[in-house]
Amino acid sequence: DVKVTQSSRYLVKRTGEKVFLECVQDMDHENMFWYRQDPGLGLRLIYFSYDVKMKEKGDIPEGYSVSREKKERFSLILESASTNQTSMYLCASSQRSGRGSNQPQHFGDGTRLSIL
Amino acid sequence: QQQVKQSPQSLIVQKGGISIINCAYENTAFDYFPWYQQFPGKGPALLIAIRPDVSEKKEGRFTISFNKSAKQFSLHIMDSQPGDSATYFCAASMSSGGYNKLIFGAGTRLAVHP
Repeated sequence: DVKVTQSSRYLVKRTGEKVFLECVQDMDHENMFWYRQDPGLGLRLIYFSYDVKMKEKGDIPEGYSVSREKKERFSLILESASTNQTSMYLCASSQRSGRGSNQPQHFGDGTRLSIL
Repeated sequence: QQQVKQSPQSLIVQKGGISIINCAYENTAFDYFPWYQQFPGKGPALLIAIRPDVSEKKEGRFTISFNKSAKQFSLHIMDSQPGDSATYFCAASMSSGGYNKLIFGAGTRLAVHP
């Protein structure tokens, strides 16, 4: 079974702090994703990575950055946390999709981040 | 054009009834339409998915109906059970360079009453 592990279930930080959210997957997946989940808005893609050291902006990258130094690990960084970044953060991974095929994304259980 | 609109926002169904959740999209380049199920405290898990070359896909009590001309797709849960109570998300994506970026609907909170 695919396992995507997010390092913290709950995190409380202060405005202006630099915040690191960590995600590890154990299935040798090429693709990794970071989403935030807010009520009434569904899941929105922040950043994704299709290979080590490669990253692409998603739909809401402002205020965030990412790092992927190893294939199994994908970090989300809040450079200077603000209260509007209080949210549930979800990490996902998937195999590389082939032409005309789509690989499912497997999600971790999320990190609930509160910025005070 | 990248949006996926999902309705209803919440749904209450009696045990044994049929739950129906609808989604609509605009981008005709989308070629993959998954549904995810999320229980409280857990991440979303893939439930069932369909590609636009078929009009229906069934897996157990779960069926996706797909209407390409109307750009709509729906999830039907037959014989709904209390254990089906969860939040359901539809999504859409297009294949691109080895990865697919999912665009999610806003979610439907389903409660199945015994």
